[in-house]
Amino acid sequence: EAEVAQSPRYKITEKSQAVAFWCDPISGHATLYWYRQILGQGPELLVQFQDESVVDDSQLPKDRFSAERLKGVDSTLKIQPAELGDSAMYLCASSLDAGGVVVTEAFFGQGTRLTVV
Amino acid sequence: DAKTTQPNSMESNEEEPVHLPCNHSTISGTDYIHWYRQLPSQGPEYVIHGLTSNVNNRMASLAIAEDRKSSTLILHRATLRDAAVYYCILTGRSDTDKLIFGTGTRLQVFP
Repeated sequence: EAEVAQSPRYKITEKSQAVAFWCDPISGHATLYWYRQILGQGPELLVQFQDESVVDDSQLPKDRFSAERLKGVDSTLKIQPAELGDSAMYLCASSLDAGGVVVTEAFFGQGTRLTVV
Repeated sequence: DAKTTQPNSMESNEEEPVHLPCNHSTISGTDYIHWYRQLPSQGPEYVIHGLTSNVNNRMASLAIAEDRKSSTLILHRATLRDAAVYYCILTGRSDTDKLIFGTGTRLQVFP
């Protein structure tokens, strides 16, 4: 069964260092989401791509976070420099192009658990 | 984005039905109602979605009120594996519509 692949599964980094997460969506899925989930809270949307274009990044802290999806397939989320408050689970999800009808089912990866020390 | 309100937590015994409520009084006519759940240490997974009519699939049933201001996710026979956080989410019909998660309902299932 096709799934969203994320790596690494776990990452420990020191504050002020740079860190990057990778996501490979399900083949053919045009929409890709990055979420951040702090323990005990629901996932918070950071950025949404439609193919290679950013659809929404209003909640992305752009002074330190960046996201790209250069060829409209896999995506990278980067944090530089990392801060203690960035410790969280980072989730990637993908879905078929909604085509203006309805947001279709989103498939989530297992996530990357980041610990900043 | 229209908001949803869910209880923080609910409890059930194994093999009993569970009714998880969701209020969405500001829902618009074109908003779909989606349910996702998140098992411990995993990413969320899709459960079901609907617009106006009740929906059934292999995982659950979705009952939508006639005025669409509330809905209920029904698990017909809870199992221990159904212990999770359940999220009720509204989405529109635009390409740019997003899945915005709230805090959800944490369901505990007891043997």
